[in-house]
Amino acid sequence: AQSVTQPDIHITVSEGASLELRCNYSYGATPYLFWYVQSPGQGLQLLLKYFSGDTLVQGIKGFEAEFKRSQSSFNLRKPSVHWSDAAEYFCAVGAKYSSASKIIFGSGTRLSIRP
Amino acid sequence: NAGVTQTPKFQVLKTGQSMTLQCAQDMNHNSMYWYRQDPGMGLRLIYYSASEGTTDKGEVPNGYNVSRLNKREFSLRLESAAPSQTSVYFCASSENNPGELFFGEGSRLTVL
Repeated sequence: AQSVTQPDIHITVSEGASLELRCNYSYGATPYLFWYVQSPGQGLQLLLKYFSGDTLVQGIKGFEAEFKRSQSSFNLRKPSVHWSDAAEYFCAVGAKYSSASKIIFGSGTRLSIRP
Repeated sequence: NAGVTQTPKFQVLKTGQSMTLQCAQDMNHNSMYWYRQDPGMGLRLIYYSASEGTTDKGEVPNGYNVSRLNKREFSLRLESAAPSQTSVYFCASSENNPGELFFGEGSRLTVL
């Protein structure tokens, strides 16, 4: 069975500063990895995903994430955050079975932006 | 552009009452999911379905039943609601296996 750990419950960064949100997963085979963002009043939106290939993936809104198999990690990064990035961020791991994929989410990291 | 539609959006129940959360998607997706979201616990998978007539248990299936009535609809039933089931419930669908999840707006359920 797969699992996901997001060790940081709440992070505050200054506007314009860089950001890294941590995600560690547990899964025996090659995982399917996702980052979602949940903004108040805007529901859940996919930022980026990794299935295979290049381990550095680009997403929307200037986000990127790097898959590191040796560390079982898929950390989310952004070079310069904007006040509009304040939201809750969820890492998820998918395990493909014969007919369906079981997608498990981490507990989330709430991002606050300091003016 | 309806996407994933959940009803009702809000519901208050008394302990022991039953209810069904409805979910429908118009994107012709094969896979559908039910999650619950509680503060500090992220989204936890209740049940998921690969196709009509097939369902699988997720992380927290106890106290819930589901029905995949057809390709469009996936309902979640609470037979005897408990205060521990107070939560926000999200339905989602996906075209690919695995693939991006498209979420509904959520249903906020309070059990007194």
